Amino acid sequence: QKEVEQNSGPLSVPEGAIASLNCTYSDRGSQSFFWYRQYSGKSPELIMSIYSNGDKEDGRFTAQLNKASQYVSLLIRDSQPSDSATYLCAVNGGSQGNLIFGKGTKLSVKP
Amino acid sequence: NAGVTQTPKFQVLKTGQSMTLQCAQDMNHNSMYWYRQDPGMGLRLIYYSASEGTTDKGEVPNGYNVSRLNKREFSLRLESAAPSQTSVYFCASSEGRLSAFFGQGTRLTVV
Repeated sequence: QKEVEQNSGPLSVPEGAIASLNCTYSDRGSQSFFWYRQYSGKSPELIMSIYSNGDKEDGRFTAQLNKASQYVSLLIRDSQPSDSATYLCAVNGGSQGNLIFGKGTKLSVKP
Repeated sequence: NAGVTQTPKFQVLKTGQSMTLQCAQDMNHNSMYWYRQDPGMGLRLIYYSASEGTTDKGEVPNGYNVSRLNKREFSLRLESAAPSQTSVYFCASSEGRLSAFFGQGTRLTVV
């Protein structure tokens, strides 16, 4: 059973701080990695995708991938109260592209 | 640009009733998915379709059937609803290894 593991949180950070979210996955053949944000009562929204080892930056968000350690992370700089949400890590689960999700980490940014 | 459209948004069923959840996407994606989301359980894959004419079971297929009607549409059917199927259902679509886009969700209650 392919798995994606995340710390469920809640993770609480003060406004302006860096929030660090982590994810590990079990399938070494995984090729695509995604971070989704989900507000309460809403559908998941893609915020970052990463396909190769290293860092990828987009505004205040940085995704980091280490395939050797089977580890993906998301850094949110200058965290804002509007970043308070559940963050879902997703991994491409096979050649047909079925995505497997972690259970999500709930982030709370305190003003 | 509608993206992924699900109907209905809300539904209450009595135990034993049947219903079909509809999903359509206008992004010309080959892959489509049905997930359910329960508190503390994350997004769990019910069925997916890698292309028109193919469907495969995901992690939790029991009690569900699917139909990939054409490239745009992927429906989920509950033949005899049970209280354990009370959940929020999401349809999603993607292309290859690229990210998935989600519909707005269907909140289903089985009493």
